[in-house]
Formats: sequence, structure tokens, C-alpha cells
Amino acid sequence: EVQLVESGGGLVQSGGSLRLSCEASGIIFSNYWMNWVRQAPGKGLEWVANMNQHGGDQYYVDSVKGRFTISRDNAKNSLYLQMNNLRAEDTAIYYCSTLAVGDSGDYWGQGTLVTVSS
Amino acid sequence: DVVMTQSPLLLPVTLGQPASISCRSSQSLVRSDGITYLTWLLQRPGQSPRRLIYQVSQRDSGVPDRFIGSGSGTDFTLKISRVEGEDIGVYYCMQGVERPHTFGQGTKLEI
Repeated sequence: EVQLVESGGGLVQSGGSLRLSCEASGIIFSNYWMNWVRQAPGKGLEWVANMNQHGGDQYYVDSVKGRFTISRDNAKNSLYLQMNNLRAEDTAIYYCSTLAVGDSGDYWGQGTLVTVSS
Repeated sequence: DVVMTQSPLLLPVTLGQPASISCRSSQSLVRSDGITYLTWLLQRPGQSPRRLIYQVSQRDSGVPDRFIGSGSGTDFTLKISRVEGEDIGVYYCMQGVERPHTFGQGTKLEI
């Protein structure tokens, strides 16, 4: 059974930092591009960032560039999102996902809630 | 960025009846490899999203054949031939042709 388990969310003040983690099991983690997708309360889905299989390529949505950093440790089957200088508009559930656009498996975690108070 | 526009945003349905959701992109979703990267996902209430269809019309494993994806270029449709209770939730289209990957606003399917 495939599992993606996020952790690290919580309540933080505006300008603060958090580090999210996502641990994968049941898949060959190093075979997948990995993504962070977020969903603000009552809103739709927003892609945040992704990273290729070996960490050499990473991409971000403009609103988080320079503040968020995606990373991974294939030896630990883990994906991370370091979030600095957090803003109220970063409040959301953050999902870890393979977000596959082709015929490889598409898997999602249960999400972790980040709340930024102003 | 590629803008994805879904309609309708709210879709009242009757169990056993068909339903259809439209998704339009602001530019072609055909990549240089000739493949069209349009995905449909379903988010049931209180759950994480789940992919239903990728590359316009390819159903994921375990997805019932009542879900049918079609379209080309910039115009796409998800059809449900006969709505069942488990189909209730919010449907999103998503483009994977370029980053940032972008989603439609979501279509809420309700009884």
C-alpha cells in the first residue's frame, strides 16, 4: 500500500518559518518527481513546487519564490518544504503528491495544515 | 501561466443521470512530445484529491468506466454516464504541459 504522510504543519506568526516533511512508503520514491500542492480554506488547489527524481531540478510558483525551498532525501524516502517569511495568504492545507501527468502512479498524502496569523 | 477555466462551477445532478464538466485552457496543452497533458481529479468531501483521468482520456486504475474524458488542444470535457452517490465532490482539471502546473477553479457536483 502506498502512503505519503505529511507532518510539520502548525500555527506560526507572520514572518515566521516552518519545515514540512513528507515520508513515502510503498513506492520507489527515487523514481518520482515530487510536488507540494496547497489548498487554502474553502478554496481550490494550487501547485506550489516540485523537484525531479534526484533533486537537480526544482520549480516554484511565483508567489513563493525566494521564500520556500523544496528538497528531498531519497535515502529516507522523504520530501521537504522549508517555508520562510510566511504570510497570511500561505495559510492552507499542504499536500505532498507525485502529481503524475503521465502513466505513473498518482499519489497524495492526507495533508498538513499551516496557519499563519497576522 | 496557463489559465484553466471550468464550467459550470456548481452542477446539480440526479442519481442515474449523466453529467458533464467543461475545461478550457488559455493555450494548447499539447507538449513537444505530441502528448496532451490534461488531468482530471476528484476531491470528495474531507478527503485528499484523487486522479481519475490523465492525458485527456486515460482512466486510472480502479476508476469506473462511467467516467469518460475527451477533448483536444484547449477544450476538454469530463462526462459521467450515470452519476452515482460516490461521485459527489469537487472535480478539478489540471494542466501538466508546463510549470507552474495550474488547476481549474473546481466544479462541485451535488445531488
